[in-house]
Amino acid sequence: DTEVTQTPKHLVMGMTNKKSLKCEQHMGHRAMYWYKQKAKKPPELMFVYSYEKLSINESVPSRFSPECPNSSLLNLHLHALQPEDSALYLCASSPRVLRKAFNEQFFGPGTRLTVL
Amino acid sequence: ILNVEQSPQSLHVQEGDSTNFTCSFPSSNFYALHWYRWETAKSPEALFVMTLNGDEKKKGRISATLNTKEGYSYLYIKGSQPEDSATYLCASLIQGAQKLVFGQGTRLTINP
Repeated sequence: DTEVTQTPKHLVMGMTNKKSLKCEQHMGHRAMYWYKQKAKKPPELMFVYSYEKLSINESVPSRFSPECPNSSLLNLHLHALQPEDSALYLCASSPRVLRKAFNEQFFGPGTRLTVL
Repeated sequence: ILNVEQSPQSLHVQEGDSTNFTCSFPSSNFYALHWYRWETAKSPEALFVMTLNGDEKKKGRISATLNTKEGYSYLYIKGSQPEDSATYLCASLIQGAQKLVFGQGTRLTINP
């Protein structure tokens, strides 16, 4: 199984809602990533997990809360989001963190989030 | 700030023609360059990870070259087919970093 899956595909939420995005991979990868992509812009890194520990937080607002409960699963908990947080949220994984090896990243198809 | 630039931003090519586009990146502290193909409504798919100056890699009709001294990479597609229509992203990794910095992509459309 060489796939990264993300659920849901689409999510519409109000600014007072709490929701979660889910990402899963069964390739035995030990590095997982969240990216945010706005229209016509490149993907921007939000978080990196290495061996289930948070390794990088790119100064992301606390209304985004990542969680890595096990080596196959990565969640992004959302609370009190703003309309400008509407974007495509991509999850990715790689065998190890990028600085340790010349790994490619495997991406999921993304969750399209709309905040009303 | 690490800027990765891709050109052109979009490209229309006739089926059967060959094409190429460019990725420019800062050459200092270079570690690796990634190329990804991203078809609409699908996941970005890795094409190449390139590390050495002068590297050339090939996958079917797609190939890429790397010049780390001057900070650029070319992606070539030979005999374009409609299924090549996608956005092609490059991303640079600097030494010691865990973070890929992506360019804005080249959106390629193959006209039948």
